[in-house]
Order: sequence, then structure tokens, then C-alpha cells
Amino acid sequence: SAVISQKPSRDICQRGTSLTIQCQVDSQVTMMFWYRQQPGQSLTLIATANQGSEATYESGFVIDKFPISRPNLTFSTLTVSNMSPEDSSIYLCSVAAGGKDEQFFGPGTRLTVL
Amino acid sequence: AQTVTQSQPEMSVQEAETVTLSCTYDTSESDYYLFWYKQPPSRQMILVIRQEAYKQQNATENRFSVNFQKAAKSFSLKISDSQLGDAAMYFCAYRPTPNYQLIWGAGTKLIIKP
Repeated sequence: SAVISQKPSRDICQRGTSLTIQCQVDSQVTMMFWYRQQPGQSLTLIATANQGSEATYESGFVIDKFPISRPNLTFSTLTVSNMSPEDSSIYLCSVAAGGKDEQFFGPGTRLTVL
Repeated sequence: AQTVTQSQPEMSVQEAETVTLSCTYDTSESDYYLFWYKQPPSRQMILVIRQEAYKQQNATENRFSVNFQKAAKSFSLKISDSQLGDAAMYFCAYRPTPNYQLIWGAGTKLIIKP
């Protein structure tokens, strides 16, 4: 398995500002993902963070709104830009690791936008 | 389109009893993975159990077992000897091989009555 940490664990932000969420893994992994979980909902994949190249975004998500960096095999950031109250969600980082094609998740970042 | 359906928004069970959570999925693929994840109020997403579609034997992890019916596209989770710590949201997820993207059900909230 992989141990994943996220910073911050929660934040309250003002409309129009941006927040960068960090994801750190305790081992090198090829596949890293960012999910959004809106209140009372299931998970929605935002993008796959690719090391050394641009992230691959899912339908409905764009780089200008959710820029992602992946400078190495253990670290990634997700920025939520120009926030609105609709961006209030839990944002989760996950990795595929362990040799069993399983995904492991970070503890999540709870974002509230006022 | 590939979809995952959890028809029970909420289930409750008496402590020490057995409960079964339902999951059905729709796919034309023959090779894939199925997972059950648990998300307690701490919001940490925890892998409970996984099943490879090519395996006929149902997966078991301690008190957790699945009933995998490939022809019926059904993947239910049985929790035996329910404990208070089992209270959480449970999500069923499907992953076609070799894609790493998970397709999620809407979740079932499990309540344990002491």
C-alpha cells in the first residue's frame, strides 16, 4: 500500500480566490489522480496527474480552472482557481500502487467557499 | 456506457448482526475489477475488498465477503458480526482493465445500531 498525505486538511476561502492543495506519497508511483466529492455525492475524477507532462482532464474539467502540477513521482498539486461557492467540496488525491492495481486515497481536503 | 448502481441509499443493522449491501454494474467488458470502499466520517477512503472478474471464487477479507455474480452483473458486500466501527458510507466501484479510471456508485450509508 501507499501512505498519502494532503495539505491543507480543510480551508475556508473567499469567492474569487485560489487554493492550492498538495498531495505527497511515501513512495514513487506512476499514476496519481485528483477527485472531487461534492456534499453527499460520490467521487468524480477531475484529472490524472502525469509526471513530466500535462495532466489529462476528464469531461467537464479544464486546466484553467484546475491547474495540476506533477514535478516528480511522489508529489502533485491541484489548484482550484477563481473559486465560487459551487467549488465547495472534498478534494481527494489517489494513487495506483501496491502491485494489485488498487487505488489508495489521501485523507482529503475539505474546501468551503464563501 | 459503463455505470455502477447502488440502490440502497441507507441501510441499518443491529450490532453483531449481518448486513448485505447491493451493487450492480453495466459493462460489455469481460475483464475488469470490482471494489468496495469505505468512507467513515473522517472522510478517509479505505479499500475494503477487491474482486477480479476472471476469478469465480468470491473474495473474502475477515468479516467482509462479496457475492460476485458475473452473469447478473451483481457485486454485493456482506458484513458479518457488524461492529460500531463499520458505520460509514460504502461505495462500490468498477474498473475496466487496463484502464485505471474507477467508475463509482452513489454510495450506501451504513448505520450500526448498538
